[in-house]
Amino acid sequence: DAGVTQSPTHLIKTRGQQVTLRCSPKSGHDTVSWYQQALGQGPQFIFQYYEEEERQRGNFPDRFSGHQFPNYSSELNVNALLLGDSALYLCASSLGRVLAKNIQYFGAGTRLSVL
Amino acid sequence: GQSLEQPSEVTAVEGAIVQINCTYQTSGFYGLSWYQQHDGGAPTFLSYNALDGLEETGRFSSFLSRSDSYGYLLLQELQMKDSASYFCAVSSGGYQKVTFGTGTKLQVIP
Repeated sequence: DAGVTQSPTHLIKTRGQQVTLRCSPKSGHDTVSWYQQALGQGPQFIFQYYEEEERQRGNFPDRFSGHQFPNYSSELNVNALLLGDSALYLCASSLGRVLAKNIQYFGAGTRLSVL
Repeated sequence: GQSLEQPSEVTAVEGAIVQINCTYQTSGFYGLSWYQQHDGGAPTFLSYNALDGLEETGRFSSFLSRSDSYGYLLLQELQMKDSASYFCAVSSGGYQKVTFGTGTKLQVIP
């Protein structure tokens, strides 16, 4: 049973560029959440996708956008990259039933460096 | 908004017991989770408390007091491999948005 997979593992971009990160959820999971984790900090919630719709969003600018596909996989897009976007981007999958015990299963992350 | 507080660093001796506290402020509280993250690794789920009281899973226990907006993670029989960062996280709001604390770096020494 495959867990959460993310690609690529590392990425180097320059300011102003655009980036797309990908995530495949754990088998049987229908909800994908994206987090940004700066060095020495906790993961910061970016947004969550359920049934191909953005269900909730954290305090991130519109430069951060996403998509969920019918097979529940997801993409995170970041436009007009800034130096401050350098971080570990984590994808987590879970079950979308609101009353379910909210366990997030994380992928290994994509390390983004913006130069 | 949500806020969580936990100690930034804790050091404990191998074989001992350590408690990591977490206080939170949030509206629409559903539950408190704990995650472990080794350097360079992904966060992994340890425990979840929705109701007051103690939940035990092997060497790990987690406690929640909803009235005090307080919880803790208890690690017993510490092993060197327990050296990692530990995050408390609250689930809140209609879709159980998860908000993480800043993490506690646990160092286990011989």
